[in-house]
Amino acid sequence: KAGVTQTPRYLIKTRGQQVTLSCSPISGHRSVSWYQQTPGQGLQFLFEYFSETQRNKGNFPGRFSGRQFSNSRSEMNVSTLELGDSALYLCASSLVGTVGETQYFGPGTRLLVL
Amino acid sequence: AQKVTQAQTEISVVEKEDVTLDCVYETRDTTYYLFWYKQPPSGELVFLIRRNSFDEQNEISGRYSWNFQKSTSSFNFTITASQVVDSAVYFCALNGGATNKLIFGTGTLLAVQP
Repeated sequence: KAGVTQTPRYLIKTRGQQVTLSCSPISGHRSVSWYQQTPGQGLQFLFEYFSETQRNKGNFPGRFSGRQFSNSRSEMNVSTLELGDSALYLCASSLVGTVGETQYFGPGTRLLVL
Repeated sequence: AQKVTQAQTEISVVEKEDVTLDCVYETRDTTYYLFWYKQPPSGELVFLIRRNSFDEQNEISGRYSWNFQKSTSSFNFTITASQVVDSAVYFCALNGGATNKLIFGTGTLLAVQP
């Protein structure tokens, strides 16, 4: 079974631009979560999607948004990029996203904002 | 509030040494789940183990073993006879409450020298 895939793997943007990251979950998994990893803040939860609906959200500004499609693929968007948005963005999938369910992570997208 | 503490920032050992990575957690939930993930330089978080709060049995998987003690709120991870391929950042994570959001520790960088 193929794992979680994320595209692109690397991205360079400038301040003020917007960016869209994509995540394809493991086949059959319907829950997709996004995490941001930075040296200063560590790994932080962004949001979780299930059945095309955002079910949970972390403490991030409204510039961070996402969506999920009927095939469970998910995208996240960051508008008006700031230098501090430079990070590794990790996507994780699980079957239905219940408490305690194991989440499997993709390789991440490394975003650099100049 | 939920919190995970990994006090060891970096550990360096020589190949074939045993090494223990510490993890201490805080939660008010009676039902919760603990995880360990490995992050090699490539960036992907690799799932290692999941343990629920009702199962305090220690687990061994090859060279890896985990010691879960509710009395001290700890979930430590031991690698026996370490190998260079074990070099990575290891994260302990907690999931409890009503969502599948993972709360991560700050990670421990393990460097295994040949």
